Amino acid sequence: KAGVTQTPRYLIKTRGQQVTLSCSPISGHRSVSWYQQTPGQGLQFLFEYFSETQRNKGNFPGRFSGRQFSNSRSEMNVSTLELGDSALYLCASSLDVNNYGYTFGSGTRLTVV
Amino acid sequence: KNEVEQSPQNLTAQEGEFITINCSYSVGISALHWLQQHPGGGIVSLFMLSSGKKKHGRLIATINIQEKHSSLHITASHPRDSAVYICAVVQGGAQKLVFGQGTRLTINP
Repeated sequence: KAGVTQTPRYLIKTRGQQVTLSCSPISGHRSVSWYQQTPGQGLQFLFEYFSETQRNKGNFPGRFSGRQFSNSRSEMNVSTLELGDSALYLCASSLDVNNYGYTFGSGTRLTVV
Repeated sequence: KNEVEQSPQNLTAQEGEFITINCSYSVGISALHWLQQHPGGGIVSLFMLSSGKKKHGRLIATINIQEKHSSLHITASHPRDSAVYICAVVQGGAQKLVFGQGTRLTINP
C-alpha cells in the first residue's frame, strides 16, 4: 500500500513569494499533521487536520495556513516567504484522531532565496 | 526548558556496542514515539509506546510513565544504524507531536 506522498520534494522560492505544498495520506488515514524542521529549532508542529477541519495549530504566524480536502489530502500554504522559512516540511498521517500511529512522508525541502 | 529532552545529543560508538538513548518529558502524554531519520530527511517511526517495553529485532524501547522517561536500546550496533533518533510525545488530549532535539548516532566499523 502506498505511503504518505509529499510533493514537490524540492522547491526554491524567492522572498515574498508564496508556496503550496501537498500531502497525500495513506489510503484510509483521515488525520494529517504538518511539521517544520530547521537546524536551529528542530521539529515543530504546524497544524493538524481531520475531516477537513483544523483541530490543532502550532505557534506559527498567520502566513502559514493549510486545508484538508474530502479525500483527506492536505495542502499547506506559506505566504510572503521569508528566508527563515527555509526548512524541511514533513507531513504525517494517522487513521483517526485517537490513533497515534503516525506514518511520515519524505518531506518537501523548501529553500527561500 | 524543553518539554522533551533527549540525551546524549551526539553519540559515536564502535560496531557491536550496546547503545542507549534516553528521553525525559515533562508533559502528560497519550503515547511516545521513537523516530529514525536518515540523511535526506525521511522519518520512520520505530516504536509507539504507551507503557512497558517493545522489541523489534535489535531494537528495544522502554517507557516508565511514573518517571516520565523512555529509553531506546540498540544491541549489536551496526554502521547502518547511523542516523538521528528522535523521541516524540503525543501531548495528552491533543493530536500533536512534541519532539526532542534528536540524538545523532554514528556507528563506526
